[in-house]
Amino acid sequence: AQKVTQAQTEISVVEKEDVTLDCVYETRDTTYYLFWYKQPPSGELVFLIRRNSFDEQNEISGRYSWNFQKSTSSFNFTITASQVVDSAVYFCALSEAGDSWGKLQFGAGTQVVVTP
Amino acid sequence: GAVVSQHPSRVICKSGTSVKIECRSLDFQATTMFWYRQFPKQSLMLMATSNEGSKATYEQGVEKDKFLINHASLTLSTLTVTSAHPEDSSFYICSAAVPGAKNIQYFGAGTRLSVL
Repeated sequence: AQKVTQAQTEISVVEKEDVTLDCVYETRDTTYYLFWYKQPPSGELVFLIRRNSFDEQNEISGRYSWNFQKSTSSFNFTITASQVVDSAVYFCALSEAGDSWGKLQFGAGTQVVVTP
Repeated sequence: GAVVSQHPSRVICKSGTSVKIECRSLDFQATTMFWYRQFPKQSLMLMATSNEGSKATYEQGVEKDKFLINHASLTLSTLTVTSAHPEDSSFYICSAAVPGAKNIQYFGAGTRLSVL
């Protein structure tokens, strides 16, 4: 069963607009980690953030922000004032303590297209 | 972040030949590396977990005799696609787990394999 759901296949925005990527996860573990990775057209995955299950504080890093809500099993990602360089596929991933530690389960990814 | 180098970036080969892909952690020692496969416009599928000095752990449905993994040192893991066929054509990506922060994986740039 799919443990990480990214329902948005593709989002198109115009530069400077904000874009929010949804991520819903499913796990029975109380200890787990959530991640966001960016995959630009070059193919390399770029690590953006890791959040553990005990830290529900939202985080902001420059134009990026993350909203973690355990009550709804969601870990959403917002890009503020988007730029063309933000065009990429963004993956949400889950690592569970009950699984072999370190194993990442990826969502299907959301393609973000930012046009000038 | 940590640097993971993957070579070659692209390889084209004839059906029936074997192809070796290298994954190196450049500025840290990685006891655990991971190999993923990604089809066009799809998510990453974990193929196997490579452990230094021991046998790799393969995911269900992945043929271990087809995809040979060797993790002979703390900085190098190799994936050999044996007797490659057109259906093996795909994007292969490796990652390395950072010691002390096992859940954070840094990814190589990927290898695009085309089997004619």
